[in-house]
Amino acid sequence: AQTVTQSQPEMSVQEAETVTLSCTYDTSENNYYLFWYKQPPSRQMILVIRQEAYKQQNATENRFSVNFQKAAKSFSLKISDSQLGDTAMYFCAFMDRNTPLVFGKGTRLSVIA
Amino acid sequence: EPEVTQTPSHQVTQMGQEVILRCVPISNHLYFYWYRQILGQKVEFLVSFYNNEISEKSEIFDDQFSVERPDGSNFTLKIRSTKLEDSAMYFCASARLSGGPLDTQYFGPGTRLTVL
Repeated sequence: AQTVTQSQPEMSVQEAETVTLSCTYDTSENNYYLFWYKQPPSRQMILVIRQEAYKQQNATENRFSVNFQKAAKSFSLKISDSQLGDTAMYFCAFMDRNTPLVFGKGTRLSVIA
Repeated sequence: EPEVTQTPSHQVTQMGQEVILRCVPISNHLYFYWYRQILGQKVEFLVSFYNNEISEKSEIFDDQFSVERPDGSNFTLKIRSTKLEDSAMYFCASARLSGGPLDTQYFGPGTRLTVL
């Protein structure tokens, strides 16, 4: 079965600094999607960014970017210029044509003023 | 921007009671999902629904659970006889899937279910 591993239960970063959250996954499929979702204290799940496995170019969304290493099965999230509103749980998730979304256990990110 | 909505935001019930959680997916989406997140744990897939039938379900989704799309807009999750361990946040999600079997799922704000 596909698995998603987030090895950092908690992280903190100073406001305006850059932080990278790690994620690795396991699959034998070649075509799949990867996602980062943000869950603030309100507990709503908000899509941050997605990456299609067939695309070599790393996805970016404003201050958020990913480092997708397909061979290493690694999918890290970089948050630049961290803001207090970025404080949240961040979940990495995987999906392929046979597998519904599988989530990692999450990384709790605290942005410190 | 269209979004998935869920009602109620918080539901408190007694053990053994039936609950129905409601979701309104994004209007042009075709695939619907329910997920569960027990406090402090990761989000877990329960069931997916397409073309008016269940397309996939997890081992969590046992006979106590059912889903329905009673009309053109609502998508419901029913728990027939709630147990203490059903206390969790329940998320509805929908996806467009017009471009193939893979598409981004957009989540609702969740319903917090508390079973006493």
